[in-house]
Amino acid sequence: DQQVKQNSPSLSVQEGRISILNCDYTNSMFDYFLWYKKYPAEGPTFLISISSIKDKNEDGRFTVFLNKSAKHLSLHIVPSQPGDSAVYFCAASDLPAGTALIFGKGTTLSVSS
Amino acid sequence: GAGVSQSPSNKVTEKGKDVELRCDPISGHTALYWYRQSLGQGLEFLIYFQGNSAPDKSGLPSDRFSAERTGGSVSTLTIQRTQQEDSAVYLCASSLVRTANNEQFFGPGTRLTVL
Repeated sequence: DQQVKQNSPSLSVQEGRISILNCDYTNSMFDYFLWYKKYPAEGPTFLISISSIKDKNEDGRFTVFLNKSAKHLSLHIVPSQPGDSAVYFCAASDLPAGTALIFGKGTTLSVSS
Repeated sequence: GAGVSQSPSNKVTEKGKDVELRCDPISGHTALYWYRQSLGQGLEFLIYFQGNSAPDKSGLPSDRFSAERTGGSVSTLTIQRTQQEDSAVYLCASSLVRTANNEQFFGPGTRLTVL
């Protein structure tokens, strides 16, 4: 059973518009949530994170929203750029360090110009 | 280089052979993780090393898989008697012992194909 779910395998957006990637989790012990971005033939790179004491974290064009009661988080990218085209993984952890990250299956974002 | 490095980048082997995958973590990172990503799947945890502590092997899928970390730095993941279902990208990650959010830094991975 998947503890972290990304139910949309793919998303297509036009350049300049908003991209919204969603993630749901089932384990209420998760307190740290991370988004990673992965280009083909490269390892995942960290994008942004949020802890359960917050409901929003913003970094430039990227904002992550957390709804603990719904066990749902989302990543907003505004404005979307063609270089944002990649696979985005949602990951969760119950500790701030020293434990495995639990990953979703990823969402492939395609931004067209 | 400043990042996590892995070798080889690609490995093709025949069913039943043993393979060794290598990971060089970021200097100063005492935590080291192995994950694998099978086709269409998310990253699956395999094993975790922290300093001189006993490793967390809870993610290893079978006793054909083992890993060691020598001198607290380089790690080798060994798969014995490879099977076709072992085909995947094997990713290594490292991190500081204390982080704010469990951020882990990943290498480029080794793509293993078992024929």
